[in-house]
Amino acid sequence: QKEVEQNSGPLSVPEGAIASLNCTYSDRGSQSFFWYRQYSGKSPELIMFIYSNGDKEDGRFTAQLNKASQYVSLLIRDSQPSDSATYLCAGLPDSWGKLQFGAGTQVVVTP
Amino acid sequence: EAQVTQNPRYLITVTGKKLTVTCSQNMNHEYMSWYRQDPGLGLRQIYYSMNVEVTDKGDVPEGYKVSRKEKRNFPLILESPSPNQTSLYFCASSSSTPTSGRGDTQYFGPGTRLTVL
Repeated sequence: QKEVEQNSGPLSVPEGAIASLNCTYSDRGSQSFFWYRQYSGKSPELIMFIYSNGDKEDGRFTAQLNKASQYVSLLIRDSQPSDSATYLCAGLPDSWGKLQFGAGTQVVVTP
Repeated sequence: EAQVTQNPRYLITVTGKKLTVTCSQNMNHEYMSWYRQDPGLGLRQIYYSMNVEVTDKGDVPEGYKVSRKEKRNFPLILESPSPNQTSLYFCASSSSTPTSGRGDTQYFGPGTRLTVL
């Protein structure tokens, strides 16, 4: 069982709607989480980092962390076709440098 | 231009033939890491390095070696490659470790697609 789980999708979202992506993790000790976006054939790029319970907003992106329920989510508001990509959730299971990624959720924004 | 470079970008080799994939960053970053990406499995960390001469295993270190003799370079060595190491490999670096709480961006290299026959 993977430590970080995501639905693989694809998640189909109409243009202008909100895309909601979820990630659950099994290690209660995980402190921080990252969301990466990866376009097909490209390298991942960081879009959000969150370490406190609650919401963190950056432009059209909002990350939500709930440590009691062990999930982290990403909302993409006003989805655009350029948001079509795979979104990777990553967590830190310990206090060293190990980083664990979920398998990623593919998002398809339809015009 | 700030970047992480990997070489080669594509490699086809045969079982048992030792190979090295180089990784170099020009951003004076402390933290470097190697990942492999396979369909349905996402990114899996192979090894990471907190700083020069300090490396540790990720989730899938078997069959791989690394060294960090200089800050800018972090080569990945496959002493005896096997077909199950066929994958897309990414090197990444960031100015601080992920545990620093600063959320510094990890910059990824362009990837190396390795095929082991």
